[in-house]
Amino acid sequence: KAGVTQTPRYLIKTRGQQVTLSCSPISGHRSVSWYQQTPGQGLQFLFEYFSETQRNKGNFPGRFSGRQFSNSRSEMNVSTLELGDSALYLCASSRSTENYGYTFGSGTRLTVV
Amino acid sequence: AQSVTQLDSQVPVFEEAPVELRCNYSSSVSVYLFWYVQYPNQGLQLLLKYLSGSTLVKGINGFEAEFNKSQTSFHLRKPSVHISDTAEYFCAVSKILTGGGNKLTFGTGTQLKVEL
Repeated sequence: KAGVTQTPRYLIKTRGQQVTLSCSPISGHRSVSWYQQTPGQGLQFLFEYFSETQRNKGNFPGRFSGRQFSNSRSEMNVSTLELGDSALYLCASSRSTENYGYTFGSGTRLTVV
Repeated sequence: AQSVTQLDSQVPVFEEAPVELRCNYSSSVSVYLFWYVQYPNQGLQLLLKYLSGSTLVKGINGFEAEFNKSQTSFHLRKPSVHISDTAEYFCAVSKILTGGGNKLTFGTGTQLKVEL
């Protein structure tokens, strides 16, 4: 079966712009989480969505937002990009609330110049 | 608060040698523990997970890990590594959140480098 699909794979943006990243979870998975990976901070939790509702949010500024659609696909948006937002953004999906382990996508590499 | 410590940032090892990657966690509640592997320019792939039951967990690619509650450890082992095991390995603990659902807290990663 298809895995978690993230688009685009690579993105270059300019400071001050905004960006939208997309994630299609595994079919049947209703929970989608987003993580940011940087060399300095490692892997950090951004937020989690379940049935179109944001259930939890990590410690990131309000410039980071997201949403989930009825088909469980999710998008995250970063507004007013800063150089420090350059990172690998990973999306992960799981069936629901069980701790069976998330399946991660290949990520979107965002570079802010 | 939960935290995960991976004591070694890099582990060099020769091919066909055994390897152990160390992971310690801190948590005041029951935990679920995971090991993920990340190859260059890729996402994270689940190697194995401990949810409950047997403390020895077997995963993919010949890896296994042992959950030790008294030592709050979850070390990853492989008896004989292959050059293709060269990658970064992340230990993670899952925390159930008050809003429902859970989040993963990751360690800083261990770069395993397998040499010929």
